[in-house]
Amino acid sequence: KAGVTQTPRYLIKTRGQQVTLSCSPISGHRSVSWYQQTPGQGLQFLFEYFSETQRNKGNFPGRFSGRQFSNSRSEMNVSTLELGDSALYLCASSRDRSSYEQYFGPGTRLTVT
Amino acid sequence: AQKVTQAQTEISVVEKEDVTLDCVYETRDTTYYLFWYKQPPSGELVFLIRRNSFDEQNEISGRYSWNFQKSTSSFNFTITASQVVDSAVYFCALSAPHQAGTALIFGKGTTLSVSS
Repeated sequence: KAGVTQTPRYLIKTRGQQVTLSCSPISGHRSVSWYQQTPGQGLQFLFEYFSETQRNKGNFPGRFSGRQFSNSRSEMNVSTLELGDSALYLCASSRDRSSYEQYFGPGTRLTVT
Repeated sequence: AQKVTQAQTEISVVEKEDVTLDCVYETRDTTYYLFWYKQPPSGELVFLIRRNSFDEQNEISGRYSWNFQKSTSSFNFTITASQVVDSAVYFCALSAPHQAGTALIFGKGTTLSVSS
């Protein structure tokens, strides 16, 4: 069974640009969550999507947004990039909202210059 | 508020030593879930275990064992006879559904280095 896949794996952007990251969950999993990992703040929850609806959101500015498609694939978007947005962005999928076991992808490493 | 504390930032051991990684959590939820994840240098978080708040049974899986004690709000992880391949960052996490939905609240992680 294929795991969670994320594309691209590495990305370099310039301050002020926007970026879109993609996540394909494990087949049959319907919930997708996004996390940001930085050396200073550690792993922080961004948001969760289930049935194409955002169900939960962490404490991040509105520049961070996401969506989920009918096939459960998810994208997250960061607009007006700042240097502090440089991080590893991890996507996790779970079967549904009650399983509480989240399986993570390899992440997208975003560097903002 | 929910919080997970991993007081040990870095631990270094020699192969075959036993090592315990500490995790202390805070939550007001009576129903919650605790997790351990391993993050090797490749970056992907690998799920190791999930426990719910109603199950305080210790668990053993091969060289890994977990000790859950609600009385001290701790969920410690022991690796027996450590190996070089165990070198990674280990994260303890908490899910408290009534207050934070399905979001995982992570500790800062413990970096384990096992030398041969």
